[in-house]
Amino acid sequence: AQRVTQPEKLLSVFKGAPVELKCNYSYSGSPELFWYVQYSRQRLQLLLRHISRESIKGFTADLNKGETSFHLKKPFAQEEDSAMYYCALLTLNQAGTALIFGKGTTLSVSS
Amino acid sequence: DAGVTQSPTHLIKTRGQQVTLRCSPISGHKSVSWYQQVLGQGPQFIFQYYEKEERGRGNFPDRFSARQFPNYSSELNVNALLLGDSALYLCASGGLLPTGELFFGEGSRLTVL
Repeated sequence: AQRVTQPEKLLSVFKGAPVELKCNYSYSGSPELFWYVQYSRQRLQLLLRHISRESIKGFTADLNKGETSFHLKKPFAQEEDSAMYYCALLTLNQAGTALIFGKGTTLSVSS
Repeated sequence: DAGVTQSPTHLIKTRGQQVTLRCSPISGHKSVSWYQQVLGQGPQFIFQYYEKEERGRGNFPDRFSARQFPNYSSELNVNALLLGDSALYLCASGGLLPTGELFFGEGSRLTVL
């Protein structure tokens, strides 16, 4: 079964602390994974994708096929990182594509 | 560029009624996808349309239907509304390989009473 699991509903940290948002997936093929973010009163937007191996706003995510994980990390959290974060798996659906999202993790960064 | 636009932003219906939601993709995008987001859950895939043809369908009943017009805008229709259809309905454009990136609208919040 194709599935994305985000085990934490809420993660609260202090400014400057390291952050790790967990994501595990289940997929029989070669996975393509994304992290989407939704800031307060804004639309859902792409944060990063594993295939580009980029760092966006200090966040990185490494695909670990052995552990079927794609955890999102940042060494020093900022208050502006407070948002809802969704991990998503790209699947092929007939001749198109579809994303399977996890339930999301709310990150709260306080000073 | 205005990005993906959706209308209406909010609406209230009663059980058994029908609803139509509208979406305009980013200029130049030929693919539109619809997602349902129930409170406390991540978005769930409903449909993808590309070049006016259905290219994918999620696990939703036949009460849900959609179409795409020659200008690539799209409508999502839901018939015989149930209380459980109350959700935020998101439209997204893009999503094509190789990047697969989706660009989301702000959503239409449907409340069924």
